[in-house]
Amino acid sequence: KNEVEQSPQNLTAQEGEFITINCSYSVGISALHWLQQHPGGGIVSLFMLSSGKKKHGRLIATINIQEKHSSLHITASHPRDSAVYICAVRNTGNQFYFGTGTSLTVIP
Amino acid sequence: DVKVTQSSRYLVKRTGEKVFLECVQDMDHENMFWYRQDPGLGLRLIYFSYDVKMKEKGDIPEGYSVSREKKERFSLILESASTNQTSMYLCASRQTGGDGYTFGSGTRLTVV
Repeated sequence: KNEVEQSPQNLTAQEGEFITINCSYSVGISALHWLQQHPGGGIVSLFMLSSGKKKHGRLIATINIQEKHSSLHITASHPRDSAVYICAVRNTGNQFYFGTGTSLTVIP
Repeated sequence: DVKVTQSSRYLVKRTGEKVFLECVQDMDHENMFWYRQDPGLGLRLIYFSYDVKMKEKGDIPEGYSVSREKKERFSLILESASTNQTSMYLCASRQTGGDGYTFGSGTRLTVV
């Protein structure tokens, strides 16, 4: 069993739709990261969360420590949001665990 | 603009060759990481380093070694490349206590 589970694995949306990607984890964590990987392979760190909620532009990330769950929301989705979104957690021993990613395609 | 630079985007090597993947960061980060990424398996940690000349095994170190002689450079070495090492390799760095990773753009290695 993976320490980090993401859902859905694949997601197709129409431009303008509100999108949610979910991440559940089974280890005690000190932080959770959301990463974005574009088709060329480069990965960008979107958020680091240890509690509550963070917002950057059209992206919102939330975390519920008690439920061991995080969500990444994209409002007013756009084709340029098409990418793989990866959830990663850092446990209290400084080890990182990665989800297998959610592949998002936004259709114009 | 701060960055992590991987020396090659694409590499094709023959089975049995010794392969060097180079990673350089210009942010003075203490921590550097090598991952491989395969479909359906996500990112898996091969080796990491918290300081110069220091290295720690990750989840899948077999068949790999690393070198960190200088703070800014972290090299991944495939001693004798095999076809099951065909993969995307990603280098990352992170400041201790910092917010997140900075990743390189990846090296897609094919071993034939």
